[in-house]
Amino acid sequence: LAKITQPISMDSYEGQEVNITCSHNNIATNDYITWYQQFPSQGPRFIIQGYKTKVTNEVASLFIPADRKSSTLSLPRVSLSDTAVYYCLVGPSAGNTPLVFGKGTRLSVIA
Amino acid sequence: DAGVIQSPRHEVTEMGQEVTLRCKPISGHDYLFWYRQTMMRGLELLIYFNNNVPIDDSGMPEDRFSAKMPNASFSTLKIQPSEPRDSAVYFCASSPSHRGQSKAFFGQGTRLTVV
Repeated sequence: LAKITQPISMDSYEGQEVNITCSHNNIATNDYITWYQQFPSQGPRFIIQGYKTKVTNEVASLFIPADRKSSTLSLPRVSLSDTAVYYCLVGPSAGNTPLVFGKGTRLSVIA
Repeated sequence: DAGVIQSPRHEVTEMGQEVTLRCKPISGHDYLFWYRQTMMRGLELLIYFNNNVPIDDSGMPEDRFSAKMPNASFSTLKIQPSEPRDSAVYFCASSPSHRGQSKAFFGQGTRLTVV
């Protein structure tokens, strides 16, 4: 399993862009990078998934450099409601390999 | 679709009692997962099923824990006897077969308190 490192916590003001970087040096060839978001008292929610370069959806963008040893989740113009824990996971997009959740990054958005 | 449905949302029980947590996955999803979340240990995968068959239960902490999936629309996680250290939020999640475990949909969780 890929070893994952991400910051424990981050603070941001409303309206700013937030970038959370995840390090996964020993990512395997068939591994994808997946991000989940968890609000207090709720289950985690899938945000975005990518394999290489850039992926964008209505919630976030995911930037993955050519060596794929790291990835950056970008949240544009955050609001107070983006306060949550963000988990970076690495693993195959299909099949019977379990996804392991780390401690995640606790993002606090301040007014 | 109503999403993954878990019941009860909250459970308070005395040490030694049997506890049963229930989960209804999203219709058509072939994978079902049970997780446990605590402040100290974070999110831990306990067990998961594929097409109602348990695939990996290595995360189940001990024999007091058991999980079943009698059909595609229902699963239970049972703790017997319960202990205070079992207090946690238990999540059930499901995902479609073509995505494996990479895009799981989580329920709201069951907050278990064992006193």
